[in-house]
Parts: sequence; C-alpha cells; structure tokens
Amino acid sequence: AQSVTQPDIHITVSEGASLELRCNYSYGATPYLFWYVQSPGQGLQLLLKYFSGDTLVQGIKGFEAEFKRSQSSFNLRKPSVHWSDAAEYFCAVGAGQTGANNLFFGTGTRLTVIP
Amino acid sequence: EAGVVQSPRYKIIEKKQPVAFWCNPISGHNTLYWYLQNLGQGPELLIRYENEEAVDDSQLPKDRFSAERLKGVDSTLKIQPAELGDSAVYLCASSVAGAPSDEQFFGPGTRLTVL
Repeated sequence: AQSVTQPDIHITVSEGASLELRCNYSYGATPYLFWYVQSPGQGLQLLLKYFSGDTLVQGIKGFEAEFKRSQSSFNLRKPSVHWSDAAEYFCAVGAGQTGANNLFFGTGTRLTVIP
Repeated sequence: EAGVVQSPRYKIIEKKQPVAFWCNPISGHNTLYWYLQNLGQGPELLIRYENEEAVDDSQLPKDRFSAERLKGVDSTLKIQPAELGDSAVYLCASSVAGAPSDEQFFGPGTRLTVL
C-alpha cells in the first residue's frame, strides 16, 4: 500500500535562509510524486510534480525537489525563503494504477518564517 | 478563469443534524474529488467522480455520508446525521480527467464544526 511520511511537523527558518522539507514514500511501482502548499484558509496549490525523467524537478515560487529512488525520498528545497512562504506543505504520492489519480498525502509540515 | 468554488466556507451544526456541502469544479473538468482533512492531517480521499459516475467511493462512510454529481458538473456531499468526529475541513478538487498526469485543483474547503 502507498503511504507518505513527512517526519518534520514544524520547521522554523529565518527569511533568506535555505529550506529543505523531507518526504519519504512507500509505493510498489514507480511513484507519481507531488508537493502542495496550503496557506491558511486557502485550498492546496501544486508546487511541483515528478512522474519520470530528470530526478530534479523545478516548480513554482522558486521551489525544487529531488527524487531519490534509493532513499524513497522526494525532498523539497528552496535556496532562499521569503516571508510569504510561511504555510503548510504536503507531499503526496499518486496511485496511478488503471489511470486513477488518487492522491495519498502526508501529514504535512508547517513552515514558520521569522524576519 | 474561476477556480473550484465551494460553499459554504464555514458551517456550525449540532450533532445529529444533517449538513450539505456544495462544489462547482473548474469548467471542463470531468473528474471531481471530495477529500476530508482532519486537523493536523493531510487530505484523505472520500470519493472520486468521472463525469457523473462515482468510480471510487471505497473510503466514503456510506452509513451517514452520501454524494451526488447528477449532471456531471457540480456536486453535493451530505452527512446525515452528523457526529462530533465529523468536524473537519471538506475539500473539493477537480481535474481535466483522471490520469495521474492531470493536476488536481483544490477549492478553499468547507470547515465543519459539529457541537
């Protein structure tokens, strides 16, 4: 069965510092991997996704993520965090059998940015 | 282009009362999803529609929850009767189709409080 683990419940970084949010997945086949961001009172917004090919994926808002099959990881990174990046971040794995697009989400990492 | 619209945004009810949530997906999106998001958790799929057909409702508690998408456009999720444990955010999402490569666009959600 597919599952996603986000080991960090809450991370605090200073504005301008680099960021890495961890995500580990469990899935029997080649995974479809996603990172979403959720600001308070807002719906989830897709930051980036990985299906195949280049293991370093670029997304919106300056985010990138690297797929490492050997570590079953898909960590999200940003070189310089802005105050507006404060939000909840969710990693998700897609169960892609038979064309289905069911997403299984991790429990999320809350990011706090201090000035 | 309008995003996924959900109403109401907030709902407070007494336990054992019925409640309904409405979702209007992005125009042209054939696939519609309802997710449940408990506090401090990631979203969990309740039901997925392809046009008007519910193709995955395995996680929908059918004793009290029901959903419909009669004309393959907007959808309603109902709980009757509501229980204290149903307090959560109910998210609706839509995608062009049900393929893993199709991005899911999320609405802002309905926050339900059951007293």
